[in-house]
Amino acid sequence: AQSVTQLGSHVSVSEGALVLLRCNYSSSVPPYLFWYVQYPNQGLQLLLKYTSAATLVKGINGFEAEFKKSETSFHLTKPSAHMSDAAEYFCAVSEYNFNKFYFGSGTKLNVKP
Amino acid sequence: NAGVTQTPKFQVLKTGQSMTLQCAQDMNHNSMYWYRQDPGMGLRLIYYSASEGTTDKGEVPNGYNVSRLNKREFSLRLESAAPSQTSVYFCASSPRDRGKGGELFFGEGSRLTVL
Repeated sequence: AQSVTQLGSHVSVSEGALVLLRCNYSSSVPPYLFWYVQYPNQGLQLLLKYTSAATLVKGINGFEAEFKKSETSFHLTKPSAHMSDAAEYFCAVSEYNFNKFYFGSGTKLNVKP
Repeated sequence: NAGVTQTPKFQVLKTGQSMTLQCAQDMNHNSMYWYRQDPGMGLRLIYYSASEGTTDKGEVPNGYNVSRLNKREFSLRLESAAPSQTSVYFCASSPRDRGKGGELFFGEGSRLTVL
């Protein structure tokens, strides 16, 4: 089974600062990778996805992620944090046939004024 | 477009009681999934259905049963609820098609408390 590791269960940044949320995966074959965001008491929404096209993926709300096969990483970044970015973020990996999706344990992002 | 709809949104059960969580999607997706979310553990797959008529176990299937009633509906049943099943349950669906992106679409969740 594949696994996903998110370093840091809580990350705190100041408004306007760089956001960097880390995700590493274990997979013997090139996977499909996703970042989801969850606001309090809501379901998960897709931020962006990597499906073997461009390695730098742009998503909604100014977020982007870079697929680095050599590092088995898919870190999420945003150049300038906004208060509305405060939420929990989940990295996920899918099997090639999309039968199963494996999620990391999540990172809660706090944005300070 | 409603997307993925789950009912009920909240439920309190006593140990040993049974209940069914209902899920329906209107996006004509092939695959449907049930996850549970617990603090610090992310989402864990309980069961999934790759297509109508098939179901398979995920990471944490014990204590649960599922039914893929038709292409739209996928229900999760707790036959004898235990306090360890207190959690937030999410239903999701996916077109399971690389051409369409393959990602999961989630419902809003069902918060279950077992006393």
